[in-house]
Amino acid sequence: NAGVTQTPKFRVLKTGQSMTLLCAQDMNHEYMYWYRQDPGMGLRLIHYSVGEGTTAKGEVPDGYNVSRLKKQNFLLGLESAAPSQTSVYFCASVQGYNTGELFFGEGSRLTVL
Amino acid sequence: KNQVEQSPQSLIILEGKNCTLQCNYTVSPFSNLRWYKQDTGRGPVSLTIMTFSENTKSNGRYTATLDADTKQSSLHITASQLSDSASYICVVAGMNYGQNFVFGPGTRLSVLP
Repeated sequence: NAGVTQTPKFRVLKTGQSMTLLCAQDMNHEYMYWYRQDPGMGLRLIHYSVGEGTTAKGEVPDGYNVSRLKKQNFLLGLESAAPSQTSVYFCASVQGYNTGELFFGEGSRLTVL
Repeated sequence: KNQVEQSPQSLIILEGKNCTLQCNYTVSPFSNLRWYKQDTGRGPVSLTIMTFSENTKSNGRYTATLDADTKQSSLHITASQLSDSASYICVVAGMNYGQNFVFGPGTRLSVLP
């Protein structure tokens, strides 16, 4: 039982390049989230999903896209990376909205030059 | 706007001492409040989850309190250990669908020998 797994853990991009972060959970959770964490700020929600095939925008969605084609996977894409997207990205999942324990991945550190 | 504030921003204590971290929130309607521990370079890990009907909840040397009337919570750490050095994040879940978890900025705790 791995919980929530994020890949890659580290990535350096040049401005304008694209990439995809993968989040996989093996707990059969319905809800999945992508957050970014910047120094001195709380985690901010980028996009979330309430079930397979669904996605919704969070607080800071601009410049990101997501897909949830399979229940266990939640992908975060950057089509044209910008230096402002340098951050640590966390994926999280929970079974029932606002009732269950929220499990986090270990994070993906992205640097955009 | 739903917000979560934490104080102090950072705290340094000696090993073996106790400390208390504070969390104030404006999330409404309120569902539950969570405390997470985040070690440097790792994802947050859940310490406690409290609903509005719970005043206190313990997890080993960690004790969280909640006053839903004043919208305040505290996390008390007893007999601190070096391994308690981490960021402690207060997270509040709202009741309404689509009202996602709101994260505080965290308190950075350093425990010195």
